[in-house]
Order: sequence, then C-alpha cells, then structure tokens
Amino acid sequence: NAGVMQNPRHLVRRRGQEARLRCSPMKGHSHVYWYRQLPEEGLKFMVYLQKENIIDESGMPKERFSAEFPKEGPSILRIQQVVRGDSAAYFCASSPPWGRTEAFFGQGTRLTVV
Amino acid sequence: DAKTTQPPSMDCAEGRAANLPCNHSTISGNEYVYWYRQIHSQGPQYIIHGLKNNETNEMASLIITEDRKSSTLILPHATLRDTAVYYCIVRAPLQGAGSYQLTFGKGTKLSVIP
Repeated sequence: NAGVMQNPRHLVRRRGQEARLRCSPMKGHSHVYWYRQLPEEGLKFMVYLQKENIIDESGMPKERFSAEFPKEGPSILRIQQVVRGDSAAYFCASSPPWGRTEAFFGQGTRLTVV
Repeated sequence: DAKTTQPPSMDCAEGRAANLPCNHSTISGNEYVYWYRQIHSQGPQYIIHGLKNNETNEMASLIITEDRKSSTLILPHATLRDTAVYYCIVRAPLQGAGSYQLTFGKGTKLSVIP
C-alpha cells in the first residue's frame, strides 16, 4: 500500500511562471489536505478537499493560489505567477473517510522561485 | 484549537528513554492530543494520539495527566533515527465533514546523541 505520493519532489520556477504540484492520496483515502512550510518555520494549513469539493480553504492566500481534487486523478495545488516568497516546501496529507482521524503526509514538493 | 507549549530543544542519549513534555492548559473536554514528528526535510509522520487515557503503540507511549493540561511523549529506547522535530497538537475530533486543520507550532527539536 503506497503512501501519499507527491510530485515533483523539487520544482524550480522563474518569477511569473505557474507551478503545479500533484498529490495522490493513499489508497482508500478520500480527504486531502495541503500545508506549506516556509524556511525555518512550522507547517501552515492551506486547504482541505474531498473529491470534487473544497471543504475548507481558510489558509489559502486570496490570490494566485488554487486547489482541486477531481473525481479522477490526483489533487493539484496550482500557484499562478509565482513570486520569490512562494519558495517553500508544500506537503500534502490524506486521511480515510470520516471515522478515522490520523492524517498521513507525503514527502513534499520543494518549490524554488528564482 | 488549544495552544500548546513545548521546549524548543532536548538531547537524549542513544538507547535511553526520551521524554518529551507538552503543556496544553486550555485544552477542551473533547480535544485530542496528537503527536507528529518531522525528520529533516521529510513529511511529518504521525506517531500517536489520545484523549484522556494513556496510549501505547509500536512507536511510542503517550501519558496524559489526569487534568489533561499536559502530556508526555515517551520514546522508550531512542535511536539516532529518532532525531527530529516533535510536534504536540491538540484538536477537536471531526464533526461529520468538518475541517481537519492541524496547527503546528515550533515543536521540540530532539537530538539523540551517540
């Protein structure tokens, strides 16, 4: 049973480009969460999704950031017109349907904006 | 969710028990205590969680005081691979399809010394 898979592991983008981060949850998990970790800081919640629904996006920046979790395929975190301040590690976590509470994290995507 | 207070760093000799404290004096009656750890540059790893009874699994033990205002994570025989940042988090259980935000503080940086 593979864990949470994120790709790419490392992503380099120039300022103004778009970044797409992918997350495939663990088998049987229908809940996905995205977190961001800025250098030397703790993880900050961004968004919580279920299949085809955004449940809580209270941690998402109001502009340039969007997330989706389509019926088929991985969850995508999209950052448009990246700036240097977007450089961070982005972690995805997944959990089973309601009734279990542990979340399992992927290895993250390290985004570097140059 | 209640805030937690953890020492910024601790050392532990290899093979000895590591006892990591956490204060959560404002915890509510329905809030659980969770522990995660993050080994350098990796995604957070779930360790254990509990409500009011002590808990044990293959990784660690969790001791929660009777008044629930503090807890201790115990790694019974620390190894070099246990060197990581350990996060104590308190949160309410899922309410149906409610949000699952984990609020990560700065954690305790545990260094296991040979």
